[in-house]
Amino acid sequence: GAVVSQHPSWVICKSGTSVKIECRSLDFQATTMFWYRQFPKQSLMLMATSNEGSKATYEQGVEKDKFLINHASLTLSTLTVTSAHPEDSSFYICSASTGYPQETQYFGPGTRLLVL
Amino acid sequence: QKEVEQNSGPLSVPEGAIASLNCTYSDRGSQSFFWYRQYSGKSPELIMFIYSNGDKEDGRFTAQLNKASQYVSLLIRDSQPSDSATYLCAVNMGAGNMLTFGGGTRLMVKP
Repeated sequence: GAVVSQHPSWVICKSGTSVKIECRSLDFQATTMFWYRQFPKQSLMLMATSNEGSKATYEQGVEKDKFLINHASLTLSTLTVTSAHPEDSSFYICSASTGYPQETQYFGPGTRLLVL
Repeated sequence: QKEVEQNSGPLSVPEGAIASLNCTYSDRGSQSFFWYRQYSGKSPELIMFIYSNGDKEDGRFTAQLNKASQYVSLLIRDSQPSDSATYLCAVNMGAGNMLTFGGGTRLMVKP
């Protein structure tokens, strides 16, 4: 139980293009989903918290117009990196909170983004 | 600022030994505590969580919580080379469902 999927697992794109990453909770309903970014050999960095049906809450320093988050249903959240640049290349990981215990986050497998 | 601190390591233990991973947190009101394992190049996976003071055992893993000392630890018995990974401590400090993560401790189990 508590499986989270992400798609795609790998993305290579040209600078200036937009990339959409999907995060799905497969066997539970997630009222809250989280988006993290992790650079090589660094800690997880929370980008934003996403609640179903409401606007995402972004962490300080994360540009909301660049990283668009949509959480349209209890099982799907999307992150769109708009006008991606090489410095956006990173490992993007989503997580979802299940019902019990409420704060437990289950992570998706992550999406590696390489912007050329 | 609310923080979760871990020694970055690497912590090196021989196969079969007990690995002890430690974590301290700054918010005395924190209620729930989590340990995740992250293999290189992969996303974190939940090992276990603990809410109450004392020990909680799950297979070879034991989580220990001491709220008075603001300290949580993870013991791995009979360590295996496959346990080599980065272990992340995460704490819910009351901000909804959000977890604050430590920087992780890299564990190396040598055959």
